[in-house]
Amino acid sequence: QVQLVESGGGLVKPGGSLRLSCAASGFTFSDYYMSWIRQAPGKGLEWVSYISSSGSTIYYADSVKGRFTISRDNAKNSLYLQMNSLRAEDTAVYYCAREQQLYYYYYMDVWGKGTTVTVSS
Amino acid sequence: EIVLTQSPGTLSLSPGERATLSCRASQSVSSSYLAWYQQKPGQAPRLLIYGASSRATGIPDRFSGSGSGTDFTLTISRLEPEDFAVYYCQQYGSSPRWTFGQGTKVEIK
Repeated sequence: QVQLVESGGGLVKPGGSLRLSCAASGFTFSDYYMSWIRQAPGKGLEWVSYISSSGSTIYYADSVKGRFTISRDNAKNSLYLQMNSLRAEDTAVYYCAREQQLYYYYYMDVWGKGTTVTVSS
Repeated sequence: EIVLTQSPGTLSLSPGERATLSCRASQSVSSSYLAWYQQKPGQAPRLLIYGASSRATGIPDRFSGSGSGTDFTLTISRLEPEDFAVYYCQQYGSSPRWTFGQGTKVEIK
């Protein structure tokens, strides 16, 4: 079935780095745009980054611009988020999500279960 | 940047009652770009409604969406025990690409 599985989360010190992965299965990964969304403990959802199907177009939220790098490997059906210079405020559950663009409709129709990133000394 | 404001923050209702959740945008939003998600504790968000009023695959017809411009509504006609959760509206934009409302918690009264 259609599935996204995140991995790579963990405990890291402020200023440290972490690389998240998202493994896709059950659909043609290379056909879809993808995003990372995060949720701080007890808070709402915050979009983090987007990558087009080919990887040629990338966007970031202002809060992570210059520190995070999104990428994908369509041959491996995988999405990545390289997180550098981590701060306490980056502590969150990180979700990858598939973007759907159906005619004029835009939405996120498949989400992974998330991976937890904790930034603390 | 378009800001989405959801109200109320918390809705206390009993099973079988009707729930009406509001999502107000700071500027006009295309209905095609407005979606609603449900999130239960410890779970990922689940798509309920896209295009402001179209139900996603497998979503019961007790969930409905409406609205246009700056005012959008998610209605749950008769609350089932499994509907008690947090609901988020979301809009697709240019910068940032995606914006979420702060969420409305529907809790058991």
